[in-house]
Amino acid sequence: AQSVSQHNHHVILSEAASLELGCNYSYGGTVNLFWYVQYPGQHLQLLLKYFSGDPLVKGIKGFEAEFIKSKFSFNLRKPSVQWSDTAEYFCAVIRSGNTGKLIFGQGTTLQVKP
Amino acid sequence: SAVISQKPSRDICQRGTSLTIQCQVDSQVTMMFWYRQQPGQSLTLIATANQGSEATYESGFVIDKFPISRPNLTFSTLTVSNMSPEDSSIYLCSVEGFTYGYTFGSGTRLTVV
Repeated sequence: AQSVSQHNHHVILSEAASLELGCNYSYGGTVNLFWYVQYPGQHLQLLLKYFSGDPLVKGIKGFEAEFIKSKFSFNLRKPSVQWSDTAEYFCAVIRSGNTGKLIFGQGTTLQVKP
Repeated sequence: SAVISQKPSRDICQRGTSLTIQCQVDSQVTMMFWYRQQPGQSLTLIATANQGSEATYESGFVIDKFPISRPNLTFSTLTVSNMSPEDSSIYLCSVEGFTYGYTFGSGTRLTVV
């Protein structure tokens, strides 16, 4: 069965540190990829998505992610985190044409210390 | 992107009772999706709700336990029936948008006691 794995469950960083959150998926066909963020007390928000084209995707709030097809990976990066980035981050994958059936990773809790 | 209103935002319910969760979208959408997030776990798709037809349930979820209504293109309900403590979760509805991915409601945090 298709699955998504996020390597880090809990990450603690100081402000201005660089961030990279790993995401790997198990499906070998064409996929669409997403990163969602959930700030404390708020609902899930889309950070960025990859459907096709340039594998380096830029999202909101300075986040970017790189799709590496050969590694089945879609890692999220940010060069300098802020305290306001404290949140839970979810990677999600959907098979192209498989409307609605997002497969989510377990989530990574990011805590940024001021 | 679509704006989704979900209610209630949270509830505490007695075991054996049922709770109906409402999801209202500010635009017409073909499909609406219901997810569950159990404590400490990721989101799992429960079912897909199309207007005018029965919902399609994922493996492990059945209509008797999670009946869904979809009376029009902007509204859906999910009922959690005959609840047990294992049903304590966050329930979310979602809609698709090609250009903006999938949008989620704010979720309903259900605690069954």
